[in-house]
Order: sequence, then C-alpha cells, then structure tokens
Amino acid sequence: GAGVSQSPSNKVTEKGKDVELRCDPISGHTALYWYRQSLGQGLEFLIYFQGNSAPDKSGLPSDRFSAERTGGSVSTLTIQRTQQEDSAVYLCASSLERASHEQYFGPGTRLTVT
Amino acid sequence: DAKTTQPNSMESNEEEPVHLPCNHSTISGTDYIHWYRQLPSQGPEYVIHGLTSNVNNRMASLAIAEDRKSSTLILHRATLRDAAVYYCILRDVSHSGGSNYKLTFGKGTLLTVNP
Repeated sequence: GAGVSQSPSNKVTEKGKDVELRCDPISGHTALYWYRQSLGQGLEFLIYFQGNSAPDKSGLPSDRFSAERTGGSVSTLTIQRTQQEDSAVYLCASSLERASHEQYFGPGTRLTVT
Repeated sequence: DAKTTQPNSMESNEEEPVHLPCNHSTISGTDYIHWYRQLPSQGPEYVIHGLTSNVNNRMASLAIAEDRKSSTLILHRATLRDAAVYYCILRDVSHSGGSNYKLTFGKGTLLTVNP
C-alpha cells in the first residue's frame, strides 16, 4: 500500500523567504509527527498531531515554525523568514494511533536555505 | 525518556550474522525497547520492538537481557542492503498521558557491510 509521502523532495530557498512542506500520511493513521534531521542536531522531534486533539508543539525551535493538519489527514509545516540554520531534512511520520509501536516515515524534504 | 548507549560504528561481512548492542541501564519497567534503522538518503524504518521476552520478525531478532539493562539486535545474515544507521530507542507506550508518543533518537550505530 501507499506509504507516507512528502513534497517537495528538495527545496532551495533564499534567507528570509517563507516555505511550506507537505506531508501525506498513510490513510487511516490518526497520529502524525514531524521530525527534523540536521548535521549538528541529529534527528529531533518537532510537533505531533493526534486526531482532533490539540497538537504537541513542544519541539518547534522558534515561533517562525508552525504546522497544521487539515481534516485529520494532510499536514503542512510552514517556516517563516527562513534562516540558514533551518537547513535540514524534514521528516514526517504517521502511526495508526498514539500508542502504536511502529511509526512510518516518509522520505523527507531536504531544505536548503541560501 | 531513558537514555541508551550504542557504539558509534560497527563493521560486518556480507552473509555473516551481526550483533548490535544497546545499553539502557536506567530503563523503567514500562519502557519498550524499539529499534529503527535509517538507510542512506531515506527516512527511518521500524525494525523491531520488545518489552521483556526475545522477539523475532522477518527483519531481525531482538535479544533482551534478563535485567533489561541491555539488548542486542541480531541480523542473522547481513546483506549490503543492511548498511544503515541503527537506532535503539526506549519508549513507554503503556500510558495515555505524557509525551510517550514521540521517538527520541540518539546518534545510533553506523553499520558497514563489506562484500
């Protein structure tokens, strides 16, 4: 079946511009996660959505970062006024429910801020 | 989340077994041991998980020490496709509260498989 998909696969943007990254989770998965992987920080959690509950935004590094999940499915991560330190691979994952042992990851979006 | 310790890197030969160790001396009674791996230029991939008993699936086996302070991921016959970074992660999924849903990744073990 279809896995988690992300778009775009690569994004190059100029410092100060806004970017939107998209995630399509596996159909029927109620939990959705965003992670970021950068050379300096490894793989780190950003934000979590579960059904209609309020998201856990505790991992977002600054208020320039925001995310939404519409209709309990597709999610968009938005980074405003991008900085060079935002350059990283942004990974989306989904799981059937909160307590599921398996999280399924997408291929990621590589963001480069010049 | 309880901390895990893994070797930075390991090397193996193709078609030989590989034993990837993980120490987690501060593990709590409700922490599950999860293993994920990340192949080059891909997102992480679930491998296996366990609580107390040894586990087998089509990808690997997980051997858990009796005191649960360490575990070993076993790849029975390494292939070139198994070259990846392997992450050992503790996660308590038994409670509905708290932040137990997220994965906390360490640096993992980079496995190199020689042909």
